[in-house]
Amino acid sequence: DGGITQSPKYLFRKEGQNVTLSCEQNLNHDAMYWYRQDPGQGLRLIYYSQIVNDFQKGDIAEGYSVSREKKESFPLTVTSAQKNPTAFYLCASSGTSQETQYFGPGTRLLVL
Amino acid sequence: DAKTTQPPSMDCAEGRAANLPCNHSTISGNEYVYWYRQIHSQGPQYIIHGLKNNETNEMASLIITEDRKSSTLILPHATLRDTAVYYCIVRNINAGNNRKLIWGLGTSLAVNP
Repeated sequence: DGGITQSPKYLFRKEGQNVTLSCEQNLNHDAMYWYRQDPGQGLRLIYYSQIVNDFQKGDIAEGYSVSREKKESFPLTVTSAQKNPTAFYLCASSGTSQETQYFGPGTRLLVL
Repeated sequence: DAKTTQPPSMDCAEGRAANLPCNHSTISGNEYVYWYRQIHSQGPQYIIHGLKNNETNEMASLIITEDRKSSTLILPHATLRDTAVYYCIVRNINAGNNRKLIWGLGTSLAVNP
């Protein structure tokens, strides 16, 4: 089955801790994206990558970091600098950055 | 990218057509209209998109007005599983490197038995 997987489904972060959210796709897509969704709100772009070893900041990149070492993987690290990390995090991919984006199931991050 | 306006909520009876409107009066000539839906606590699901012509696929139909200032997503026979938040997004696929989707609050559709 082709698709986008995100893990874990739920993640708990302690104060001052960095946590990494996984996003994997087997759709052979070049472009990948990370969005954040707060309750009752639309999605906001954190980072995106159009090709391996390249990525750009979105609208709310502060407190987050990413890497794109492999085409199929685009992990997101929520650093301790992100003061309000509790949210639903969504990963998406598209064939190219011009094409339709498809989304994974999401990871819900909660702060202990 | 142009902004969109959608009603915050709508109801529909099961088995009837659900018609979800979207206003995008500032849309420009190279901006597409995209529709996604999001069932509670899941990732958004792509439904359909179009530029100026009406489009239909196995999920829905998209009707775009001739002046392109508004559109309607039609679910021809709504089921309880169509209960979700529906997002209308306009997107300039030629806007340099940042071809992001700009998300509003969407329409919360409740399909009732």
